[in-house]
Amino acid sequence: LAKTTQPISMDSYEGQEVNITCSHNNIATNDYITWYQQFPSQGPRFIIQGYKTKVTNEVASLFIPADRKSSTLSLPRVSLSDTAVYYCLVGGGYNNNDMRFGAGTRLTVKP
Amino acid sequence: DAGVTQSPTHLIKTRGQQVTLRCSPKSGHDTVSWYQQALGQGPQFIFQYYEEEERQRGNFPDRFSGHQFPNYSSELNVNALLLGDSALYLCASSPRIAAGAGETQYFGPGTRLLVL
Repeated sequence: LAKTTQPISMDSYEGQEVNITCSHNNIATNDYITWYQQFPSQGPRFIIQGYKTKVTNEVASLFIPADRKSSTLSLPRVSLSDTAVYYCLVGGGYNNNDMRFGAGTRLTVKP
Repeated sequence: DAGVTQSPTHLIKTRGQQVTLRCSPKSGHDTVSWYQQALGQGPQFIFQYYEEEERQRGNFPDRFSGHQFPNYSSELNVNALLLGDSALYLCASSPRIAAGAGETQYFGPGTRLLVL
C-alpha cells in the first residue's frame, strides 16, 4: 500500500494561498490521489481527486508532477473556516478500492 | 438527498459489552466502508462491504464484524469491548467505481463510542 507523508501542521492568514504537499513515493500505476478535509467531530469531506497533471474545482487545485511521487493541494485565499485537518490518500483505482488515511495536516488560518 | 446517515450519534458502553452501529449510505451508492478514528488520529480502515460481502479488511481483530443488507445499509458490530475501542466510528459510502475513475467516499457524521 502506498504510504503518504504530509506536514503535521501549517499556519496561514486569511486571504493567503495555502499549499500542502504530500509525498507518496510508492504510488501504484492505478492509484488515484484524493484529498479530504475534516472538521472536529465530523466525517471527512471530499475536496479533490486527480491522477496526473493538474485538476481544479470550485474550492481547490491539485498539482501532480509527472512522476506522481508527490502532490500539492492548493487552497486559494483561505478564510478562518478553512481551519481543519487535511488528508492526502492514494489508492481507490479500479479494482483497487483500498484507501488508507495518514495522520493529516492540521491547517490553522489566523485573522 | 440525506447523504450518509449513522446511528446512534453517541454511545456509552462498558468493557466486555457488545455494540452495533448502523449506517445508511448515500442514495445511489452500493459500497460501504467503516473506519475507526481515535482522538487526534486519522481514520483507520476497518473493512468494506459490497454486494453484502466483506471485500477488504484492515488490520482489525475478529471482534470487529459487519454486515450489509440488500438495501446497501450496513452494520458494524464490536464484541468484547475494550477501553481502546473508544473512538469515532465513521461510515463512508461510494458508488461502484468505473475504469478511468477513482473512488470517492462520502462520510457520515460518525458515532462517538465511549467504553468505560
